[in-house]
Amino acid sequence: DAGVIQSPRHEVTEMGQEVTLRCKPISGHDYLFWYRQTMMRGLELLIYFNNNVPIDDSGMPEDRFSAKMPNASFSTLKIQPSEPRDSAVYFCASRIEETEAFFGQGTRLTVV
Amino acid sequence: KQEVTQIPAALSVPEGENLVLNCSFTDSAIYNLQWFRQDPGKGLTSLLLIQSSQREQTSGRLNASLDKSSGRSTLYIAASQPGDSATYLCAVPQAGTALIFGKGTTLSVSS
Repeated sequence: DAGVIQSPRHEVTEMGQEVTLRCKPISGHDYLFWYRQTMMRGLELLIYFNNNVPIDDSGMPEDRFSAKMPNASFSTLKIQPSEPRDSAVYFCASRIEETEAFFGQGTRLTVV
Repeated sequence: KQEVTQIPAALSVPEGENLVLNCSFTDSAIYNLQWFRQDPGKGLTSLLLIQSSQREQTSGRLNASLDKSSGRSTLYIAASQPGDSATYLCAVPQAGTALIFGKGTTLSVSS
C-alpha cells in the first residue's frame, strides 16, 4: 500500500477563499483522523471517523471547518471562508481498530 | 481529558551517546502508546507501538518502555547518530480512540 495520501501538499490561498484538503486512507483501515499542527499548539485533533461516520468533531475550531468521508477511501476537510490564522500543516492519519496509526505527509496551508 | 507532556523540549548530544526521552500522561486508562519521529517539513513516521500489556518494545537501537500505573513512558536511543536528529513525539489514546500528542522533544546529534 502507498500509505496515507494527502493532496495538495502545499496550498496558498487568499483570505475568504474556500479551501479543500483531501485524504486517501490506507485500504482496510476503519479509523480516519484529521489533525492540525502549528508551532504554538503542536498537533491538535480536529475530527475523526470510524467506518465513515464522524465520531468526535469537538476539535473543529469553528463552523468554518467541515469534514466529510463519503466512502472508505476518501475524506475531505473544508475551510470556508479561510482566514490567515488557519495557516498550519494539516495531517490525515488512519488505522485499523486499536493498532498503529499511520500519517500522511501533510498539507501545508498558507492563507494570505 | 488526556494530557501528554514531553521532557525535555530540546536535547543536543554528541554522536555515540545513549539518551532517554521522557513522556508522561494524565489518564492511565490507555491500551497502547505510540512513539513517532518527525523530520523538518515532513510527516510523522511511526517508530514503536507499545501495548498496555507490554512493558517494553524494541526496534533496532530504539527501546520504548511503558509504566501505566505511573503514567510514564521512555524512549531510549542507543549509540545516537546524526541521522537521529528529528523531533520525537509521544501519543496516547483519549477516550480509547483518538491519539493525543505531546509537544515533542527536538533532538540534535552532532558529529
